[in-house]
Amino acid sequence: NAGVTQTPKFRILKIGQSMTLQCTQDMNHNYMYWYRQDPGMGLKLIYYSVGAGITDKGEVPNGYNVSRSTTEDFPLRLELAAPSQTSVYFCASSYSQGRLSSSGNTIYFGEGSWLTVV
Amino acid sequence: DQQVKQNSPSLSVQEGRISILNCDYTNSMFDYFLWYKKYPAEGPTFLISISSIKDKNEDGRFTVFLNKSAKHLSLHIVPSQPGDSAVYFCAASAMEYGNKLVFGAGTILRVKS
Repeated sequence: NAGVTQTPKFRILKIGQSMTLQCTQDMNHNYMYWYRQDPGMGLKLIYYSVGAGITDKGEVPNGYNVSRSTTEDFPLRLELAAPSQTSVYFCASSYSQGRLSSSGNTIYFGEGSWLTVV
Repeated sequence: DQQVKQNSPSLSVQEGRISILNCDYTNSMFDYFLWYKKYPAEGPTFLISISSIKDKNEDGRFTVFLNKSAKHLSLHIVPSQPGDSAVYFCAASAMEYGNKLVFGAGTILRVKS
């Protein structure tokens, strides 16, 4: 019963380095998302995907790239890391973007990845 | 420009009493609202939601109230339990924006035993 799994949990990067945050889900969800949460702020959408091969920008996409080659995986790539990208990153998935009032169509989040750029 | 605001960064409540968490929004296009709960070192989990066609939705100890004219919603937890201590995020969405969620900054709830 893994749900949404993201790795690594913690990472320290030097300015200018690159890295990939991995995310996989085993619920056969069509929709996947990457959010970042800065201190004292709500979660902000970086990129999302509505299915394999389809990705789109969210609210704060600059400095990031994504791909969705399979339904299960949605990696987030940071190119040329900057201190402004120090944040907690959450991957999430949902069956659709519909409006079911029950938890049947809620967004399921991973446990988060703490990234520090120094 | 925060479209969803949770103006209380933290709230402390005695066990057994009512916890009231507030959320305000500015965009009148929002028509679906959710509350998420987050424990330390875990991802947020869905708690309760409400559509704009309703003014109240109840699920056990949790009730969400929506006041569309005031663009305000609140989450009531009765009775509060120590296990409710967490960060609570309010989120809103609009069909016009593809139902993508816009989150507030969160309120830390501490329930004292």
